[in-house]
Amino acid sequence: RKEVEQDPGPFNVPEGATVAFNCTYSNSASQSFFWYRQDCRKEPKLLMSVYSSGNEDGRFTAQLNRASQYISLLIRDSKLSDSATYLCVVNIGAAGNKLTFGGGTRVLVKP
Amino acid sequence: DTEVTQTPKHLVMGMTNKKSLKCEQHMGHRAMYWYKQKAKKPPELMFVYSYEKLSINESVPSRFSPECPNSSLLNLHLHALQPEDSALYLCASSHATGDQPQHFGDGTRLSIL
Repeated sequence: RKEVEQDPGPFNVPEGATVAFNCTYSNSASQSFFWYRQDCRKEPKLLMSVYSSGNEDGRFTAQLNRASQYISLLIRDSKLSDSATYLCVVNIGAAGNKLTFGGGTRVLVKP
Repeated sequence: DTEVTQTPKHLVMGMTNKKSLKCEQHMGHRAMYWYKQKAKKPPELMFVYSYEKLSINESVPSRFSPECPNSSLLNLHLHALQPEDSALYLCASSHATGDQPQHFGDGTRLSIL
């Protein structure tokens, strides 16, 4: 079993619609969680950290479910510019601030 | 604009060449990282430096040699690379505590002939 798993997609989303997807992690000792987005042939960019109480940043909402060991990302009112690969990233707390990346979920927003 | 700067943006080299990738950040971060990313795959961690000392080497072949001259700079020296080493090489930095996100440079796209 992979340490961090994501549905690779693609999620084909009509412009203006809502899309949500999850990421599961295997290590119950995981301490911090992030969503990054990566555009084709570009670097990963931090979208948001994920907090235990859940957090929202504009059209983006992230949730953490420690009991079931997953995090989620919800995008409301999807824009064409939201088309990207969304990487779920987990820090299991090992020495050296080592991040473990999921394989990414590809989202395609279409007019 | 990224706050982590990598040079060069593109590099083509032969298998016998020696070259270096450079990374610089001025965010006061004390942890810096090298990643390798192949097409359609997530980044793979290569090295971690914490307070200018190598703290993690993910069993990377010795043809890759990292160096951290100071808290703002990170180099990756390349020698006798193989065609399968062609990839996007990403540098990242973060605060040194374990719960901080990493900020990535825009990478060096490396092609080995």
